[in-house]
Amino acid sequence: DTAVSQTPKYLVTQMGNDKSIKCEQNLGHDTMYWYKQDSKKFLKIMFSYNNKELIINETVPNRFSPKSPDKAHLNLHINSLELGDSAVYFCASSQNSQNTIYFGEGSWLTVV
Amino acid sequence: QKEVEQNSGPLSVPEGAIASLNCTYSDRGSQSFFWYRQYSGKSPELIMSIYSNGDKEDGRFTAQLNKASQYVSLLIRDSQPSDSATYLCAGSKSGATNKLIFGTGTLLAVQP
Repeated sequence: DTAVSQTPKYLVTQMGNDKSIKCEQNLGHDTMYWYKQDSKKFLKIMFSYNNKELIINETVPNRFSPKSPDKAHLNLHINSLELGDSAVYFCASSQNSQNTIYFGEGSWLTVV
Repeated sequence: QKEVEQNSGPLSVPEGAIASLNCTYSDRGSQSFFWYRQYSGKSPELIMSIYSNGDKEDGRFTAQLNKASQYVSLLIRDSQPSDSATYLCAGSKSGATNKLIFGTGTLLAVQP
């Protein structure tokens, strides 16, 4: 009964491809996030949605497009993958935009 | 200057000792602070949150916040080898959005 689940956990793909990472939370939370952790372990927010509405959109390339079909799901689509996109992408959720954030298990993306 | 700074370590302590992890932040608007523990290859896990100046204790963990000096610390008493992990400090501002700003983490190694 994983609270925040992401798929796939591991993804190896070639430069130029388009890929998606899916995220679902069963906590009944209103707010969901995508964070990126680079090879130096630096964890940085990319996007946040509250009840399907985009509320945080950090400076990321527009090749990254989040989509929230409902408040329990937040997917991340990446176009034209580049080597520098290789990282661990963490989905997370919180009760609302004020509460504690809980992370999913991460999706390891490797672009070759 | 990074918004949240931590010494990357590794911080090595013997089993049973007190591990002291420190974090400084630059944005005086930050109101809430969090310590996450991240084992290698795993997702960040919330250990402590602190919102007011002073100490907050939870079991072997004590978080300390000094807003005047803009630092946050985490003390781990009776350190165990299972405490060996990267500890991430994060801050957020109060307001409409919940955007955690993370430090780069401190690697703690507890020696048996």
